[in-house]
Amino acid sequence: DGGITQSPKYLFRKEGQNVTLSCEQNLNHDAMYWYRQDPGQGLRLIYYSQIVNDFQKGDIAEGYSVSREKKESFPLTVTSAQKNPTAFYLCASSMGVAEQYFGPGTRLTVT
Amino acid sequence: QKEVEQNSGPLSVPEGAIASLNCTYSDRGSQSFFWYRQYSGKSPELIMFIYSNGDKEDGRFTAQLNKASQYVSLLIRDSQPSDSATYLCAVIPGALNFGKGTSLLVTP
Repeated sequence: DGGITQSPKYLFRKEGQNVTLSCEQNLNHDAMYWYRQDPGQGLRLIYYSQIVNDFQKGDIAEGYSVSREKKESFPLTVTSAQKNPTAFYLCASSMGVAEQYFGPGTRLTVT
Repeated sequence: QKEVEQNSGPLSVPEGAIASLNCTYSDRGSQSFFWYRQYSGKSPELIMFIYSNGDKEDGRFTAQLNKASQYVSLLIRDSQPSDSATYLCAVIPGALNFGKGTSLLVTP
C-alpha cells in the first residue's frame, strides 16, 4: 500500500524545545518537500530535497533543519530559533519536478 | 518572488451549478499547473494537472490553461455539497508555488 506517512498527527511542545517531525514515503519518489500552513494561509515551502544527501532551503527555512540520509525519509526539526512554530506541517513527495503528493500532516502546537 | 494569485472567496454556488475557480501567475516561464482540493483540517489532494494550453477534462472537472494571459482555471460541473473545500492552485517551475486557495461552498 503506497503512500506518505507523517507522525505524529498531533504534537505538543513547550517553548524552547526542539522537535522532530517524521515523514516517510514508499512511492520511490526522488523528491521530498516540507511545507507549513497557517490558518487561512497557503502553503509555504520550508525545505526540499531532490536527491539523497542533498537539500535546499525554501522560502521560510529559518529556524528549521532537515536531513535526507535515505530516499524514503525526510525528517524536519523545528528548532527553538523558530519564532512562531505553531502550525500545520505538510510533507510531500514527487517523482522529479512533477505533481506532488501529500502526507496527512502534523499539527504542532508550541506553548 | 514568483506569485500565484487566487481569490480567497468564499465562492458560493447552488448544488448542480458550475463552479468556476480562477488563478493567475506571474512567472511566464511556468510550465506545469496543478489544482489541489483541501478539506478543512486535512492535507491537499491532487485533482487535476495541465501542461498545455487549452482544456483538460476529467469527470466533472475541467482545467483550462491560457499561458498568454497567464491564468489557469478549474471548472466543476454539477457541483455537490461534498465539493465544498478550499481549492489550491500550484505552479512549477522550481518547487511548487501555491496560491492561498479559494474557498468553495456548495449549498443544497
